[in-house]
Amino acid sequence: EVQLVQSGGGLVRPGGSLRLSCAASGFSVSDYFMHWVRQVPGKGLIWVSRIGVDPMKINYADSVKGRFTISRDNADNTLHLQMNNLRVEDTGVYYCARSLGFFWGQGTVVTVSS
Amino acid sequence: QAVVTQEPSLTVAPGGTVTLTCGSSTGAVTSGHYPYWFQQKPGQAPTTLIYETTNKHSWTPARFSGSLLGGKAALTLSGAQPEDEADYYCFLSFHEGVVFGGGTKVTVL
Repeated sequence: EVQLVQSGGGLVRPGGSLRLSCAASGFSVSDYFMHWVRQVPGKGLIWVSRIGVDPMKINYADSVKGRFTISRDNADNTLHLQMNNLRVEDTGVYYCARSLGFFWGQGTVVTVSS
Repeated sequence: QAVVTQEPSLTVAPGGTVTLTCGSSTGAVTSGHYPYWFQQKPGQAPTTLIYETTNKHSWTPARFSGSLLGGKAALTLSGAQPEDEADYYCFLSFHEGVVFGGGTKVTVL
């Protein structure tokens, strides 16, 4: 069974950093595209980043380029999102997801506020 | 980045049929955009209904189907039920990343 369990998140001041993690089971993160998606409550879904089977194949939304870094740890079978220089507009619920079926994590809340 | 467009809202009668569409500012949507469809109810995480144009998960009700229609990806709900009232999102995959549509609020009334 495919499962994604997220951790990290919380409250941080503008300019701060956070690291989100997404522990996978039932498959290997190295075998699939993996994604991060954000949603502000009451608003739509916003794609943030993806990493391919080839770890050099990485894409980011324009709004996070240069500030966020997606990575994976094959040994721990975990996906990460390092978020630096956070802005108020980065606030939302962050979901990790696996491609080919788009299986979702449970989501984790990130609040950027002074 | 491309803009993906969806109808903001649609209403369907119980038992009726409604088709939601997902278009791209770059041109016709093809299977190469790997269209996905998601359902989200208030206070809940999204769930995936359709992946890669037409494929269903084991939990996808049979009344939902995906297709390509008139240069767009389409999600058809046939025989709408009250529990289908929700927000529906599509996304398309491009070389530079993925783009979600703005979502369609479906009312069953």
